[in-house]
Amino acid sequence: TQLLEQSPQFLSIQEGENLTVYCNSSSVFSSLQWYRQEPGEGPVLLVTVVTGGEVKKLKRLTFQFGDARKDSSLHITAAQPGDTGLYLCAGAYQGGSEKLVFGKGTKLTVNP
Amino acid sequence: EPEVTQTPSHQVTQMGQEVILRCVPISNHLYFYWYRQILGQKVEFLVSFYNNEISEKSEIFDDQFSVERPDGSNFTLKIRSTKLEDSAMYFCASSGWGARRNQPQHFGDGTRLSIL
Repeated sequence: TQLLEQSPQFLSIQEGENLTVYCNSSSVFSSLQWYRQEPGEGPVLLVTVVTGGEVKKLKRLTFQFGDARKDSSLHITAAQPGDTGLYLCAGAYQGGSEKLVFGKGTKLTVNP
Repeated sequence: EPEVTQTPSHQVTQMGQEVILRCVPISNHLYFYWYRQILGQKVEFLVSFYNNEISEKSEIFDDQFSVERPDGSNFTLKIRSTKLEDSAMYFCASSGWGARRNQPQHFGDGTRLSIL
């Protein structure tokens, strides 16, 4: 069974603070996606990382893929209340599988 | 921006009844997927579909489940005889060339299935 551990599960911070969410596995990913999901809606794609060591930026969000392609992180700088939501990482494992394996998600609350 | 659309948004069905969930994937995509999310749990893979056949399925996707692409645009999930434990949010997703070519999957807003 392939497991993808995401931490922390809950995070409550003040506006302006920085935060990092982690996604870890013992297996190698061929690609990893980060999504944001609002209540009652589907996951919305934020970014895809493919190459070990890759860093991608989306405004105040920085995504990093580990050198060994077994882990990833999402860092948010100067968080704002509009960043509040559920952040999901989902990986496609090396070996030809088409399925995504999801983490449990990180529920982020940014207080004004 | 192109999006995956799902209907209905909410389906309430009696246990034992058949239900069909419908999806219109992004038009030039080739891989199609169904996932489900039981309340409070992770999103779980059910099945992937490519070139008019199932390419991969999970242990959840038993004989009660089937998928079909009846025309050039729709992709459906049928549950033949629903059980209480089938209550969940069902998400359809599509991608250009599949995970093997590192293509991201785009999700619809889901159908909430409630079995009574």
